[in-house]
Amino acid sequence: GAVVSQHPSWVICKSGTSVKIECRSLDFQATTMFWYRQFPKQSLMLMATSNEGSKATYEQGVEKDKFLINHASLTLSTLTVTSAHPEDSSFYICSHREGISDIQYFGAGTRLSVL
Amino acid sequence: QKEVEQNSGPLSVPEGAIASLNCTYSDRVSQSFFWYRQYSGKSPELIMSIYSNGDKEDGRFTAQLNKASQYVSLLIRDSQPSDSATYLCAVSRNAGNMLTFGGGTRLMVKP
Repeated sequence: GAVVSQHPSWVICKSGTSVKIECRSLDFQATTMFWYRQFPKQSLMLMATSNEGSKATYEQGVEKDKFLINHASLTLSTLTVTSAHPEDSSFYICSHREGISDIQYFGAGTRLSVL
Repeated sequence: QKEVEQNSGPLSVPEGAIASLNCTYSDRVSQSFFWYRQYSGKSPELIMSIYSNGDKEDGRFTAQLNKASQYVSLLIRDSQPSDSATYLCAVSRNAGNMLTFGGGTRLMVKP
């Protein structure tokens, strides 16, 4: 399957600061990438769909001004959590859909802890 | 009613036994079905995909799909302690559509 590199794997930040998470596709062109959030003992919740060269599509209830997504190239999508607060502490995971199939391959995830 | 439902568990089985994980979905037009395994603190990894009614086998894993009953299951034969993880069922309408994930079933395989 396609390889998705995500980093950092773990970040601790102070409340009010911004954190950027990167996802890189290593061996394919990622036209579309997905961003998920997972709270402890809960399932994956889709936050947004990141489309190369255009604006991301956000799921209902996800603040687009707080979670900035940029997908400027076919190999890189970024998620920036702006003015992070403790309630934003979560496990953030990106994924890629290979070609026109609906199989998704996930990055390793980023654990964000906001103090 | 949730779109994709799974028993949260934990499902506890002894080593060497068959673990049976179940998933039901509400969208009748769903066409693609997936099982992902997620170890604690890690991201999901794809185990199986299934698109047609019946069984699909891959090593110790067998996925079973019954579209009439809107039911998909995963059997793990000869369960090992290393199989202990949360198993996520995911469903989509067709190629190009989003995946909808169930809440996951936590499996514990005891030595």
